[in-house]
Amino acid sequence: EADIYQTPRYLVIGTGKKITLECSQTMGHDKMYWYQQDPGMELHLIHYSYGVNSTEKGDLSSESTVSRIRTEHFPLTLESARPSHTSQYLCASSDGLAGVNTDTQYFGPGTRLTVL
Amino acid sequence: AQSVAQPEDQVNVAEGNPLTVKCTYSVSGNPYLFWYVQYPNRGLQFLLKYITGDNLVKGSYGFEAEFNKSQTSFHLKKPSALVSDSALYFCAVRDSPGGADGLTFGKGTHLIIQP
Repeated sequence: EADIYQTPRYLVIGTGKKITLECSQTMGHDKMYWYQQDPGMELHLIHYSYGVNSTEKGDLSSESTVSRIRTEHFPLTLESARPSHTSQYLCASSDGLAGVNTDTQYFGPGTRLTVL
Repeated sequence: AQSVAQPEDQVNVAEGNPLTVKCTYSVSGNPYLFWYVQYPNRGLQFLLKYITGDNLVKGSYGFEAEFNKSQTSFHLKKPSALVSDSALYFCAVRDSPGGADGLTFGKGTHLIIQP
């Protein structure tokens, strides 16, 4: 399995709180991704990055933001959590170059977020 | 826009029998196709991918998949199912270079292997 880590694994938080979901990988991959997945459903891309200081929005509109200050770290932030943000968030990375779509994405274990 | 269809929400197979999990796709260019497996409360594990070349792709844990361009399909197969194969399986597609970089996933198929 790939060395990609996510913390926390589970988070229950009240409405209006600011949260940051951590994702880190030790493989030196340039490309990283965030997907959102409702239980037992398909994944939807919400953010991706081609490298340091690169961030792009994905196919699914999200109120979250991301940053990429270091190659190995790609945190996701929600400034004010709402119950509609309840979901599982999966981080992934790949060793491909921007514009190359044949590389394999490797996933972390996910963070299950519940907003009360 | 690219899309993936997994027509079966659930597939039930007896242990030792062959299994097939179906996937069809739609892309504007050449497809890059992937299969992932997800166990409860875990992330996705990569099984195999098709980029080009031989239409039969072999992957992890004895799984294989057959690319069929005329039927736009990429079905996952295994000759003899194990109870431990029970999980949620996702087919995913990416367009050829120039398209969006993320994977487009199907809705997933629950595979249940009965002892």
